[in-house]
Amino acid sequence: NAGVTQTPKFQVLKTGQSMTLQCAQDMNHNSMYWYRQDPGMGLRLIYYSASEGTTDKGEVPNGYNVSRLNKREFSLRLESAAPSQTSVYFCASSSQGMNTEAFFGQGTRLTVV
Amino acid sequence: KNEVEQSPQNLTAQEGEFITINCSYSVGISALHWLQQHPGGGIVSLFMLSSGKKKHGRLIATINIQEKHSSLHITASHPRDSAVYICAVGTSGSRLTFGEGTQLTVNP
Repeated sequence: NAGVTQTPKFQVLKTGQSMTLQCAQDMNHNSMYWYRQDPGMGLRLIYYSASEGTTDKGEVPNGYNVSRLNKREFSLRLESAAPSQTSVYFCASSSQGMNTEAFFGQGTRLTVV
Repeated sequence: KNEVEQSPQNLTAQEGEFITINCSYSVGISALHWLQQHPGGGIVSLFMLSSGKKKHGRLIATINIQEKHSSLHITASHPRDSAVYICAVGTSGSRLTFGEGTQLTVNP
């Protein structure tokens, strides 16, 4: 049982490059989330998808786009990476909203130079 | 003031000690989560609770809704408990607000 699988684990980008972070869950969860984690700050919500076919902005959506490809997969795209997007990114899923247990991926450490 | 405040920020203990990590929040919540983040970076859910107390092995989580406060206790601490412990509150169905975490180090 893989849970939440996130790829890649590490990535270095040059300013202006684009990339997509992939996330897949095998628990038949309805809700999926993308967070970023920065030193001295708690995790912050970038985008979420309450159910298949819907996506909504979180606290810090600027510079990102998302796609809920199907019930299993939720990707995060950086169209033109900036140094301010250097962070650790986590994908998470839950059965139905964040009042149910959350499961997290292993994280992606992204550095933008 | 952050909506979720954890204390202490850093905690060092000797193996076998009883540990308490506190979480206070300033908003109405529907649920509170305790998470563990190991040095490798992965995050694991420990508890989700909306009232009372839950226990899993050596870990106990309590919440007092009236006082807007939760505690995570670790009994008979062990070096493998060394990690960052994160409190998060659910303020609506789709969002969590996270504390900054408590770095716990348990020395042998």
